[in-house]
Amino acid sequence: NAGVMQNPRHLVRRRGQEARLRCSPMKGHSHVYWYRQLPEEGLKFMVYLQKENIIDESGMPKERFSAEFPKEGPSILRIQQVVRGDSAAYFCASSPEGGLNEKLFFGSGTQLSVL
Amino acid sequence: GDSVTQMEGPVTLSEEAFLTINCTYTATGYPSLFWYVQYPGEGLQLLLKATKADDKGSNKGFEATYRKETTSFHLEKGSVQVSDSAVYFCALRGSYQLTFGKGTKLSVIP
Repeated sequence: NAGVMQNPRHLVRRRGQEARLRCSPMKGHSHVYWYRQLPEEGLKFMVYLQKENIIDESGMPKERFSAEFPKEGPSILRIQQVVRGDSAAYFCASSPEGGLNEKLFFGSGTQLSVL
Repeated sequence: GDSVTQMEGPVTLSEEAFLTINCTYTATGYPSLFWYVQYPGEGLQLLLKATKADDKGSNKGFEATYRKETTSFHLEKGSVQVSDSAVYFCALRGSYQLTFGKGTKLSVIP
């Protein structure tokens, strides 16, 4: 049973370009969470999705950021018109259910570098 | 809102030394508490957890006890190994979100 798969591992973009980060949850998991880790910081919650639904996007910046988790295929975190401050490690986690004590399984992350 | 404060790193220890990484939290209600470990170039892995007061989580020789009276969840290990070198994150979960501390980098030297 493969773990949470994120790609690419490293993504380099120039200011103003778009970044697309992909996350394939573990098999059988229908809940996906995105977190961002800035240098020297802990992970910060961004968004929580179930299949075809955004449950909580309270941690997402109001502009330029969007996320989806379609019925088929991976979850996508999209950042439009990237700026240098978007440089960070972006982690995806999944769980089979959304309960408080559900264990989250994390991917290895995508390191986004904005030049 | 919820918050987690853990001791600043980096922490450097010799092999077989005793490890303590302090973690305190602020939360409403009764959160679950976690320690995650991040090895270089990898994602976070759950190390241990405790879901109610006085629970002790343990794994791979690491332990932490949920202390409601002091709102703490300190991580301990009696004898560290070089392979324990990693970044350790304390976290709480009051809803579906995890709230993380900033992480403590541990380096264990032979």
